[in-house]
Amino acid sequence: GAVVSQHPSRVICKSGTSVKIECRSLDFQATTMFWYRQFPKQSLMLMATSNEGSKATYEQGVEKDKFLINHASLTLSTLTVTSAHPEDSSFYICSAKAQGVPYGYTFGSGTRLTVV
Amino acid sequence: AQKVTQAQTEISVVEKEDVTLDCVYETRDTTYYLFWYKQPPSGELVFLIRRNSFDEQNEISGRYSWNFQKSTSSFNFTITASQVVDSAVYFCALSEHSYGGSQGNLIFGKGTKLSVKP
Repeated sequence: GAVVSQHPSRVICKSGTSVKIECRSLDFQATTMFWYRQFPKQSLMLMATSNEGSKATYEQGVEKDKFLINHASLTLSTLTVTSAHPEDSSFYICSAKAQGVPYGYTFGSGTRLTVV
Repeated sequence: AQKVTQAQTEISVVEKEDVTLDCVYETRDTTYYLFWYKQPPSGELVFLIRRNSFDEQNEISGRYSWNFQKSTSSFNFTITASQVVDSAVYFCALSEHSYGGSQGNLIFGKGTKLSVKP
């Protein structure tokens, strides 16, 4: 079946540094990638939607200059948290739409980010 | 506006009990999909089921069953003879059919934490 590899699974970084999270579709082409954030004991909230080769669309309240999304190819999308602060500590998870698979969502395994 | 409500925040049962997780959704669209996911403590989302709005047949998969009722906008999930390994957070989610056939994102409920005690 479709697999999305997400790395790293856990990362601890210092306040003010940047962290890059990668989601790679291993056996299919992901035309659309959704990025979600989940705070402890809360639901998954959509941050942004990216389509291959175009700029990401951010949800209201999500700073596009802080959360940089790149979807340069059909198999790779990245989320970079720039100048991370402790309040950015969260669980980040990507979800890819497979080309030609209607309403098929494939999730990465998630990245637990801790900013100290 | 689309919305998914999981009114039960936490449920605790003893092993072998049956348990039903409720999900109520709101949408103006006539074409949509409903999902259930399991999220164990490790965090990854485990896909359980997808149901489209035109298929109201109930579904059974082993100890899992789903009851979809459009009349009440509900898509409830029942675990029969629960086991400790069923302990997790369960999310109900909705995806609408966007104009032009493009796929929308998933809208998640707040989740129900199920604890199954031995």
